[in-house]
Amino acid sequence: GAVVSQHPSRVICKSGTSVKIECRSLDFQATTMFWYRQFPKKSLMLMATSNEGSKATYEQGVEKDKFLINHASLTLSTLTVTSAHPEDSSFYICSARRPTGLETQYFGPGTRLLVL
Amino acid sequence: GIQVEQSPPDLILQEGANSTLRCNFSDSVNNLQWFHQNPWGQLINLFYIPSGTKQNGRLSATTVATERYSLLYISSSQTTDSGVYFCAPRSGNTPLVFGKGTRLSVIA
Repeated sequence: GAVVSQHPSRVICKSGTSVKIECRSLDFQATTMFWYRQFPKKSLMLMATSNEGSKATYEQGVEKDKFLINHASLTLSTLTVTSAHPEDSSFYICSARRPTGLETQYFGPGTRLLVL
Repeated sequence: GIQVEQSPPDLILQEGANSTLRCNFSDSVNNLQWFHQNPWGQLINLFYIPSGTKQNGRLSATTVATERYSLLYISSSQTTDSGVYFCAPRSGNTPLVFGKGTRLSVIA
């Protein structure tokens, strides 16, 4: 299956700082990537859909100024958590889908963010 | 958007037992995937199954799209099967929507 990587795998930061998470599609060009968030023992909640070369589409309740998404190339999408606070601590997972659209959605290994 | 309901929410099995996990969804789908989330959080793709039946070793899945449900069968369960199983259907060109999952514990 296709491989999606994320970096870093875990990060600890101080409150008020910004953190960037990278998501790479390693063996196909992904015109569309997705960012999910998962709280402990909860399900994955979609945060936003990232489209290469255009603005991301955010789900209701997700602050676009707080969670900046950039999809600058067909293999890279980044999520920046700006001015992080302890309540932003979570597990962030990215996903990529092949351009044909109807196929499998592939998931990265996730990034654990802890804001102190 | 599409609503997803998984049952049971929690399941404890003795090693070697069989089980069936169910996923009900509220809308017609053009994709449905089953995942196993391991203790490190990695989502493992089990099946891409918008309709029909597939088998992979001790696991099999069936989706009856017209009746809006999917089933995941685990036979001869092993302790390594423990974890959370998610069903995630998709309608139209939307992203996958995740159910709340079934937390499986297989005890020796």
